[in-house]
Amino acid sequence: NAGVTQTPKFQVLKTGQSMTLQCAQDMNHEYMSWYRQDPGMGLRLIHYSVGAGITDQGEVPNGYNVSRSTTEDFPLRLLSAAPSQTSVYFCASRTGTRDNEQFFGPGTRLTVL
Amino acid sequence: QKEVEQDPGPLSVPEGAIVSLNCTYSNSAFQYFMWYRQYSRKGPELLMYTYSSGNKEDGRFTAQVDKSSKYISLFIRDSQPSDSATYLCAMRRYSSASKIIFGSGTRLSIRP
Repeated sequence: NAGVTQTPKFQVLKTGQSMTLQCAQDMNHEYMSWYRQDPGMGLRLIHYSVGAGITDQGEVPNGYNVSRSTTEDFPLRLLSAAPSQTSVYFCASRTGTRDNEQFFGPGTRLTVL
Repeated sequence: QKEVEQDPGPLSVPEGAIVSLNCTYSNSAFQYFMWYRQYSRKGPELLMYTYSSGNKEDGRFTAQVDKSSKYISLFIRDSQPSDSATYLCAMRRYSSASKIIFGSGTRLSIRP
């Protein structure tokens, strides 16, 4: 199993550009989440999904969209990038039966100029 | 005020020392308490979790929860250089499995 994979590893955007961060998992996990990690702030939940076709907002959803058309994939879209979105983004997944065991991807380092 | 507070460190100790990492929290509704380890430029990985108060041991790691004081700890015995990482505490309510609140992490360095 590859676990949770994220692409790209690094990305530089200009203000106003849009892009999609990809996340995929091969563990057949129902639950997937997106977090951002900033210095001194810990991990903050952006959006999450409890299954294909179902998504909900987390703590810091503004400026981001998600969709979940398959169990495996959970892309995160930045609609119009802003410097405040410079961060490291992590995708995570878990089953519904082991609520506390989240598996994280390796992260995407995004810089918005 | 943040819901979860964690001293960012850095904390540097000699190999073989006992390490104590701590978090405080303000929301008494938190029931599950987790510790994650994050190596540099990697994603976090779950070390262990506990439910409500008490202790839980896993090898060299012991997690403690004191709900009356809203204080959780992770102890690492016989620390090794490979334990050098950032340690994140995390917690959630019983009914909110997807809404986990993380501490900001403590950076730990074990000196050989």
